[in-house]
Amino acid sequence: EVQLLDSGGGLVQPGGSLRLSCAASGFIFTNYGMTWVRQAPGKGLEWVSTIDYSGGSTFYADSVKGRFTLSRDNSKNTLHLQMNSLRVDDTAIYFCARGFYDIDVWGQGTTVTVSS
Amino acid sequence: DVVMTQSPLSLPVTLGQPASISCRSSQSLVHSDGNTYLNWFQHRPGQSPRRLIYRVSNRDSGVPARFSGSGSGTDFTLKISRVEAEDVGVYYCMQGTHWPRTFGQGTKVEIK
Repeated sequence: EVQLLDSGGGLVQPGGSLRLSCAASGFIFTNYGMTWVRQAPGKGLEWVSTIDYSGGSTFYADSVKGRFTLSRDNSKNTLHLQMNSLRVDDTAIYFCARGFYDIDVWGQGTTVTVSS
Repeated sequence: DVVMTQSPLSLPVTLGQPASISCRSSQSLVHSDGNTYLNWFQHRPGQSPRRLIYRVSNRDSGVPARFSGSGSGTDFTLKISRVEAEDVGVYYCMQGTHWPRTFGQGTKVEIK
């Protein structure tokens, strides 16, 4: 069964950092690009970042560029989103998802709350 | 950025009746590889989003046949032939052709 398990969310003060992880199983991880999507409270879905199958190319939304870094460990089938200089408007549920052009499988989401 | 505009944003429907959601993009979604990367997702409260349709009209495995997608270029539609109670939720279109990837605002489907 294809599964994505998101983790690493929590409560952090503005300016702080968090590292989200996504553990993949049930498919050949190195065959797929991977993506993070978030949903702020009461808002719609917002694309955050995508990494290609090899980790050689990464893409970011302007709202997170320069603050977030997406990486992958293909030896451990794991995706990481390092989030620095967090702002109140980064508060959201963050979903890991499989795909580069087409997103198909989604993780269960991990909640990030940025508040003083 | 490619703007994805959905309509309507709220869709009250009667059980057993059809429903249709429009999604228009500000630029053509035809990729240089010839594919049109337009996906439709269903998002029920408290759950992860679920993809229903990929590349305009391809229904995902396990998705009921009452869901269908159509369109081309910049104009796309998701149709539900006969709405069932389990179809309540928010529906999003998303383009995967251009950077940054962008979603529509979402259409909330509810039962009258």
